[in-house]
Amino acid sequence: DAGVIQSPRHEVTEMGQEVTLRCKPISGHDYLFWYRQTMMRGLELLIYFNNNVPIDDSGMPEDRFSAKMPNASFSTLKIQPSEPRDSAVYFCASRKSGDYQPQHFGDGTRLSIL
Amino acid sequence: KQEVTQIPAALSVPEGENLVLNCSFTDSAIYNLQWFRQDPGKGLTSLLLIQSSQREQTSGRLNASLDKSSGRSTLYIAASQPGDSATYLCAVFSGTYKYIFGTGTRLKVLA
Repeated sequence: DAGVIQSPRHEVTEMGQEVTLRCKPISGHDYLFWYRQTMMRGLELLIYFNNNVPIDDSGMPEDRFSAKMPNASFSTLKIQPSEPRDSAVYFCASRKSGDYQPQHFGDGTRLSIL
Repeated sequence: KQEVTQIPAALSVPEGENLVLNCSFTDSAIYNLQWFRQDPGKGLTSLLLIQSSQREQTSGRLNASLDKSSGRSTLYIAASQPGDSATYLCAVFSGTYKYIFGTGTRLKVLA
């Protein structure tokens, strides 16, 4: 089975540019999560979706961040305009419904904003 | 508000040693607790998931225990190997489909 697929794996861009991160969850999983990982703050949940609907975006740091899930097999996290403090590793994860289902992670996108 | 703490932050042991990693959480009302492994530059790999009604789970050389009343979980690694070197994270699932992660224990097993 294919796992959670994220693209790109690495992104380097200049401050002020728009950045779009992509995620394909595991087929059949109806929950999708976006996380950000930094040395200072560890792993933080940004937003999660259930059946393509955003449920909780309280972790999204600012209005510069937005996320969409147009269908069950694709999600994007967009940063516009990007800032150097957005540099981090961004992970996407998915899971099935149920209290005892594990969460599966992609390999992440390492984002560097210059 | 649920808080998850992992101690120690880093650990270095000789190959073959048995070791214990600790995870503490402040709110005992959890559905499950999951242990992950993260290799450098990689995502998180699920190792074990313990349901709230369970006391422990085992997979190969790994054994995870859960004591909800005291807000603690341990991950026991038997006969450690250099390939076990990684960062180990625990995550608590308290409902509303949010996982709260600890900051991790960075393990290095010396050959």
